[in-house]
Amino acid sequence: GAGVSQTPSNKVTEKGKYVELRCDPISGHTALYWYRQSLGQGPEFLIYFQGTGAADDSGLPNDRFFAVRPEGSVSTLKIQRTERGDSAVYLCASSLTGDRDRDTQYFGPGTRLTVL
Amino acid sequence: DAKTTQPNSMESNEEEPVHLPCNHSTISGTDYIHWYRQLPSQGPEYVIHGLTSNVNNRMASLAIAEDRKSSTLILHRATLRDAAVYYCILGDDKIIFGKGTRLHILP
Repeated sequence: GAGVSQTPSNKVTEKGKYVELRCDPISGHTALYWYRQSLGQGPEFLIYFQGTGAADDSGLPNDRFFAVRPEGSVSTLKIQRTERGDSAVYLCASSLTGDRDRDTQYFGPGTRLTVL
Repeated sequence: DAKTTQPNSMESNEEEPVHLPCNHSTISGTDYIHWYRQLPSQGPEYVIHGLTSNVNNRMASLAIAEDRKSSTLILHRATLRDAAVYYCILGDDKIIFGKGTRLHILP
């Protein structure tokens, strides 16, 4: 079956611009996660949705970052006034129930964001 | 702030078993131990998880110490396709991936 998909696969933008990154989770998965991964590092948690609501956004680095999941399926990560330090691979994952203790997360291939 | 500690890298010969260690001395009683791996230019993929008992699946085995402060991922017969970064994480409200262990497989 279809896994988690993310678009675009690559995004190059200029400093100060606005970007949107999209995640299509596995159908029927109630939980969705966003992570950011810099070169040589493990994924860094950003935000977690349970259904339509953001259950935990403690990983968002500042108010330039925002994410939505209006219908409980597709999610969009939005970054305003991009900075060069935002360059990274942005990963999305979904899980069936959102039990962060025992649930398995299924990751997408990521979006590589480059801010010039 | 990492909740788990893993060696930065390991190497193994092809077709030999590989034991990847992970220390998690601050684990709480309800934290599951999860292992994921990340192949080059891909997102992480699930390998195995467990709570107290040793676990086996088609990919690997997970051996959990009796005090649960450490665990070992066992690949029974490594292939070149197993070369990846392996992450050991604890399942709780704060999911923290460390840098993982980069596994090199020698042909």
